Amino acid sequence: QKEVEQDPGPLSVPEGAIVSLNCTYSNSAFQYFMWYRQYSRKGPELLMYTYSSGNKEDGRFTAQVDKSSKYISLFIRDSQPSDSATYLCAMSLDNYGQNFVFGPGTRLSVLP
Amino acid sequence: DGGITQSPKYLFRKEGQNVTLSCEQNLNHDAMYWYRQDPGQGLRLIYYSQIVNDFQKGDIAEGYSVSREKKESFPLTVTSAQKNPTAFYLCASSMGRGTGPQHFGDGTRLSIL
Repeated sequence: QKEVEQDPGPLSVPEGAIVSLNCTYSNSAFQYFMWYRQYSRKGPELLMYTYSSGNKEDGRFTAQVDKSSKYISLFIRDSQPSDSATYLCAMSLDNYGQNFVFGPGTRLSVLP
Repeated sequence: DGGITQSPKYLFRKEGQNVTLSCEQNLNHDAMYWYRQDPGQGLRLIYYSQIVNDFQKGDIAEGYSVSREKKESFPLTVTSAQKNPTAFYLCASSMGRGTGPQHFGDGTRLSIL
């Protein structure tokens, strides 16, 4: 079993839809959780950074952590074609960069 | 604007050749990292450095080397010992001796001729 898993997609949705992107993980000690957006041939861009459980909202994006289920989600409201990208989750138990574990990413296409 | 600059964007390597990928940051971050990205896999850590003149191996350091002579610069050399070098290479940095989320450059795609 991989340490962090994501549905690879591609996930295709119509413009304006609510998108749910998910990661599952096996290490219950993870405490720091991140979501990155990566456009084609570009580096990942940090979207959300959360500690422990709960929700965090930033504009159209909401990050949710459920540590009891070892499951994190990123919700995108009112999705736009510019949201078309690969979304990576990452997590760590101690917030030290060398210990971050990245998921393989989910490719999202938002169709106009 | 502060950021991380990677160059070149595309690089081709011949058999038996060493190549060096450049990474420069003007964010005043202490820590820098090199990752390799392959299709269907998460980012894998090659090397990291928390301070100048110090660096540590990551999970897949074999066939790679780095130096950290300046805070702003963390070049990666892909040596001829790396038998499967074709990948997208990402450089990142973070504050505070390596804590907190990482910020990434736009990568270098390395291919074999």
